Amino acid sequence: QKEVEQNSGPLSVPEGAIASLNCTYSDRGSQSFFWYRQYSGKSPELIMSIYSNGDKEDGRFTAQLNKASQYVSLLIRDSQPSDSATYLCAVNGGGGADGLTFGKGTHLIIQP
Amino acid sequence: GAVVSQHPSWVICKSGTSVKIECRSLDFQATTMFWYRQFPKQSLMLMATSNEGSKATYEQGVEKDKFLINHASLTLSTLTVTSAHPEDSSFYICSARRTGGGAYEQYFGPGTRLTVT
Repeated sequence: QKEVEQNSGPLSVPEGAIASLNCTYSDRGSQSFFWYRQYSGKSPELIMSIYSNGDKEDGRFTAQLNKASQYVSLLIRDSQPSDSATYLCAVNGGGGADGLTFGKGTHLIIQP
Repeated sequence: GAVVSQHPSWVICKSGTSVKIECRSLDFQATTMFWYRQFPKQSLMLMATSNEGSKATYEQGVEKDKFLINHASLTLSTLTVTSAHPEDSSFYICSARRTGGGAYEQYFGPGTRLTVT
């Protein structure tokens, strides 16, 4: 049974600060890792994908992957109130053939 | 690019009736699409994997005779909830997998909120 664990929060961060979101996964064979943002009542929106160990940066977002520790993180720099949402960590197996296994999400609140 | 649409966005139906939900990839071809379900305050749960031209693969605990999936083209997958009951009320979301360059990113449709009365 594949599991993806996230702290449900809420995680409260002042505007302009760095928000740090964490995720661990149980299936050591997992190959692809994703962060999605979900606003209340809406479907998930892809923020970042990462496939190899290390850091991947895209604008204000940085994803970090450590396969040895089975750990994925997302950093959001210069946090904005519009970043307030639930962030979902998702994992799938090799080749992308499987559907995604999602964590329960971390509710992030950016305080103006 | 990578736009996925769903129709309808919301539907109310009576218990015992069937409802069809369409999922389309608008600007790319998707050999694989996925159907998820999300209950209030919970995360997304994978229901089934839909492959173009072949039978869908269902997750454990999902009744294939109740949730009929058809993936007739590279841009369209449909989910039919047959003999719907109030416990089937949920947020149904499809995703389409865009491949290429070693990436396996899934893009989600806007979802369909189903209420069974």
